Amino acid sequence: NAGVTQTPKFQVLKTGQSMTLQCAQDMNHNSMYWYRQDPGMGLRLIYYSASEGTTDKGEVPNGYNVSRLNKREFSLRLESAAPSQTSVYFCASSEEVRYVSNEQFFGPGTRLTVL
Amino acid sequence: EDKVVQSPLSLVVHEGDTVTLNCSYEVTNFRSLLWYKQEKKAPTFLFMLTSSGIEKKSGRLSSILDKKELFSILNITATQTGDSAIYLCGVGTASKLTFGTGTRLQVTL
Repeated sequence: NAGVTQTPKFQVLKTGQSMTLQCAQDMNHNSMYWYRQDPGMGLRLIYYSASEGTTDKGEVPNGYNVSRLNKREFSLRLESAAPSQTSVYFCASSEEVRYVSNEQFFGPGTRLTVL
Repeated sequence: EDKVVQSPLSLVVHEGDTVTLNCSYEVTNFRSLLWYKQEKKAPTFLFMLTSSGIEKKSGRLSSILDKKELFSILNITATQTGDSAIYLCGVGTASKLTFGTGTRLQVTL
């Protein structure tokens, strides 16, 4: 039982390049999330998927797209990377948005640097 | 817009001290408040609080929620160097968690 996995762990991009961050969970969770974490800013929600087939914008969605490929996988795409997107990206999952329990389980993170 | 504010932003204490971390919130459709500990990697879950006045406890850590005054506190007694971390407060609504900026705790010998 791996929990939430993310690839890659590290990535360096040049401005304007594109890339996709991959996330998968094996806990049969319905909901998945992408966050970015910057110094002094806490965790900020980029996009989330309440269930397979749905996605919604979070607090900071500009410059990103997401795909909920199936129940297990939720990817985050940067179409044209900018230095402002240098950050640590965390994927998370939770059992069910509508339940009282919102406990989210986090992946190990991807450290992205855009030059 | 949902808002979660944590204080203090950072704190340095000596081993053995007791610390209290604060989290206040203004959200629509409150469901739960969660505390996480983040060391070098991913946040790890500490507590989830849904009802006022009921203390959750795990070893030297405890937390309580006040839904009338819209805040929670996280207490750590007899701190150890292993408690050094960022402590994150997240408030769950109908669809998502909104996190505060975190409190960075450093415990020195």
